[in-house]
Amino acid sequence: QVQMVQSGAEVKKPGASVNVSCKASGYTFINSDIHWVRQATGQGLEWMGWMNPNRGRSGLAHKFKGRVTLTRNTSISTAYLELSSLRSDDTAVYYCVTAGFGDWGQGTLVTVSS
Amino acid sequence: DIQMTQSPSSLSASVGDRVTITCQASHDSSNYLNWYQQKPGEAPKLLIYAASNLEKGVPPRFSGSGSGTDFTFTISSLQPEDIGNYYCQQYDSLPYSFGQGTKLEIK
Repeated sequence: QVQMVQSGAEVKKPGASVNVSCKASGYTFINSDIHWVRQATGQGLEWMGWMNPNRGRSGLAHKFKGRVTLTRNTSISTAYLELSSLRSDDTAVYYCVTAGFGDWGQGTLVTVSS
Repeated sequence: DIQMTQSPSSLSASVGDRVTITCQASHDSSNYLNWYQQKPGEAPKLLIYAASNLEKGVPPRFSGSGSGTDFTFTISSLQPEDIGNYYCQQYDSLPYSFGQGTKLEIK
């Protein structure tokens, strides 16, 4: 079955960068886009962006352009989200999701605190 | 960008009740609409895709309808395990967007 396994929780200082990984299994990695969604504590879901693992193309929600980079390593079926210039309001759980939004990673808590 | 307006923001109902949540899109989203259930500490779970299609393994008491700008999610007979937060999401055009969520509680 499809599994999306994400990297562990991170604690970062304001201004730093964080890299979240998402290892996919159970399907052919390059055949399905991957989306990233985040959720601040007690808040709703926020779509951040998508990436096509085959061609490496990606797209981002306007508010993340310039701060978020989506990459992948096809040899290990892993997608990455890098968020830079971290602020306190970036504290959230970050999820990777398959193209149909049917298979989600377990989430990675990123805490930004001085 | 398409904005999704979901209502109500919270809902309390009794076991066995019929529960309805609505979602309105600011622009035509055709039928590119998902519904999710999320329980505390868990990732969202896809229940309904393409507005009215039940995801595999999801109980048939859950259903969805609508197209264009107006969508409805229904639980025909509320069960205790249905408590949680529910979200709609349009995937007609980027950026994909979610409704604000509905917190469902049992009376």
